[in-house]
Amino acid sequence: DSGVTQTPKHLITATGQRVTLRCSPRSGDLSVYWYQQSLDQGLQFLIQYYNGEERAKGNILERFSAQQFPDLHSELNLSSLELGDSALYFCASSADPHGTGNEKLFFGSGTQLSVL
Amino acid sequence: TQLLEQSPQFLSIQEGENLTVYCNSSSVFSSLQWYRQEPGEGPVLLVTVVTGGEVKKLKRLTFQFGDARKDSSLHITAAQPGDTGLYLCAGAPTGTASKLTFGTGTRLQVTL
Repeated sequence: DSGVTQTPKHLITATGQRVTLRCSPRSGDLSVYWYQQSLDQGLQFLIQYYNGEERAKGNILERFSAQQFPDLHSELNLSSLELGDSALYFCASSADPHGTGNEKLFFGSGTQLSVL
Repeated sequence: TQLLEQSPQFLSIQEGENLTVYCNSSSVFSSLQWYRQEPGEGPVLLVTVVTGGEVKKLKRLTFQFGDARKDSSLHITAAQPGDTGLYLCAGAPTGTASKLTFGTGTRLQVTL
């Protein structure tokens, strides 16, 4: 158990819909990362938050947004969903405050999103 | 974009065999991490290597960081079915405020 909790574990929805994925980081970790994993693209970094503030952006579409709340949990919002958005979405947390990329990441079990 | 290519993509071996997985890039990394991911779970960090030429051992797993810090290898001795999973390398680019770049992955299956 990594200590990172993601809900829901599975999500099935239709094209054009909007969904919210939730992540609770390990106790004490201030950094939260979101990754997308698909068969053809591998594990792609989407966005990082540190103590409520956006720290870094990766390959995140404009239809996607995220935020980190005062209690440090984070939500990833995916809107106007397309078939190609079907993937595993992982949240990871880290205690590293500097965001240098050397941090040790602890991953949740992921949310499997299926867009039909 | 700094790419990390892993080889082989797939590997199916029998229990007791040895294997090596490679992680290559044309870019220099300040450090490199190896993760193992099992079905239905997120990646789990195995090791971090920082110094060029560094070798780290974790039981039957040996990790090496290339001298130029552009590549890494993972060697498993006497593989066991419990080693089955997706192995991912992840590089931390030089400079600050850069995120880990994950490799393309090597899917290993060890059968009895």
